[in-house]
Amino acid sequence: SQQGEEDPQALSIQEGENATMNCSYKTSINNLQWYRQNSGRGLVHLILIRSNEREKHSGRLRVTLDTSKKSSSLLITASRAADTASYFCATEPNQAGTALIFGKGTTLSVSS
Amino acid sequence: KAGVTQTPRYLIKTRGQQVTLSCSPISGHRSVSWYQQTPGQGLQFLFEYFSETQRNKGNFPGRFSGRQFSNSRSEMNVSTLELGDSALYLCASSLLTSGSSTDTQYFGPGTRLTVL
Repeated sequence: SQQGEEDPQALSIQEGENATMNCSYKTSINNLQWYRQNSGRGLVHLILIRSNEREKHSGRLRVTLDTSKKSSSLLITASRAADTASYFCATEPNQAGTALIFGKGTTLSVSS
Repeated sequence: KAGVTQTPRYLIKTRGQQVTLSCSPISGHRSVSWYQQTPGQGLQFLFEYFSETQRNKGNFPGRFSGRQFSNSRSEMNVSTLELGDSALYLCASSLLTSGSSTDTQYFGPGTRLTVL
């Protein structure tokens, strides 16, 4: 069953604007990861945030994690057309021997 | 380092046939996971292998099976194909060095399977 649920399902913005995607999950986690997928291809790891971290930055990416609300957000600043892709959050439940669980993703479209 | 490779990239089969997909992980990675991606169900975990042992298994029927070889390369097999098995099958490898049971996954480009 899906643990992470991304919101919104789809997002269309102009180049230069910021894009914010949210992820909610159900159970306690060890870490939460964000991945990007370009149309029909493999996923690319973007960033991992551990349960004891609240915010993390990587280039134009900023991820926050609120374990009390069981939610995370991914902010992409100054979006570019090349950021057009689907973005997935994946959670590692705090339960031994459990695999990553992916959400259904947010499709981001950045137009120039 | 070379990335995760998957073969074949595209495959067309008919119902009832069986198929074997192959995945070569990044050199040094000992964990290989398989996922099925469909528009309706999204990314669903199939199974994970670590050092030739299945460590985790998702909620898929027994028609889906896998194995891992001593060089960490992995194969998955689907027997008696059904139309609903049409999907993008993704393989991912990881180092498992952080102490966490699941580390960053490095994905291959996937195998697009079409069942007619």
